Amino acid sequence: RKEVEQDPGPFNVPEGATVAFNCTYSNSASQSFFWYRQDCRKEPKLLMSVYSSGNEDGRFTAQLNRASQYISLLIRDSKLSDSATYLCVVTSGNTGKLIFGQGTTLQVKP
Amino acid sequence: EAGVVQSPRYKIIEKKQPVAFWCNPISGHNTLYWYRQNLGQGPELLIRYENEEAVDDSQLPKDRFSAERLKGVDSTLKIQPAELGDSAVYLCASSKGTADEQFFGPGTRLTVL
Repeated sequence: RKEVEQDPGPFNVPEGATVAFNCTYSNSASQSFFWYRQDCRKEPKLLMSVYSSGNEDGRFTAQLNRASQYISLLIRDSKLSDSATYLCVVTSGNTGKLIFGQGTTLQVKP
Repeated sequence: EAGVVQSPRYKIIEKKQPVAFWCNPISGHNTLYWYRQNLGQGPELLIRYENEEAVDDSQLPKDRFSAERLKGVDSTLKIQPAELGDSAVYLCASSKGTADEQFFGPGTRLTVL
């Protein structure tokens, strides 16, 4: 079983749609959680950190459920420019080592 | 501020040949990482340096892979000899410290024929 599991998609949605991605992780000792965005043939970039209380950044909302070891990312009012792969990332125990999921691909269509 | 610099951006070699990748981290970043990203997968850590010390190389295939960061700044990752399965994107990242945000370079796309 992979340490971080994501549905690879692709998710094809129209502009303006709301879309949600989910991720599960296996190591209950993981301490930090993130969503990274990776455009085609580009490097990953930090989108947002994920906190137990949930956090929002504009159209993006991230949630963490430690009991279920589950992380989510919600994108409202999708834009064409949101088309990318979204990587769920957790730290390995307390080492700070990042463990990446395989990513979920989003295609926003006009 | 300049980001993480990597070279070359692309490399095509025949199997059994050696290859080397170079990374220059963001100035002031003490922690440097090498990742490998296979097609359709997320990056996987190969090795992490704190200054010039390799503190986590558990995922580095040591029979053919080697890395160095002699002066605690630039780093090189070498594969000798390369195998077909080594075709991937090799990403370098850096951060101020282990708990800080990691910034990735553009990667080197390696194709082994």
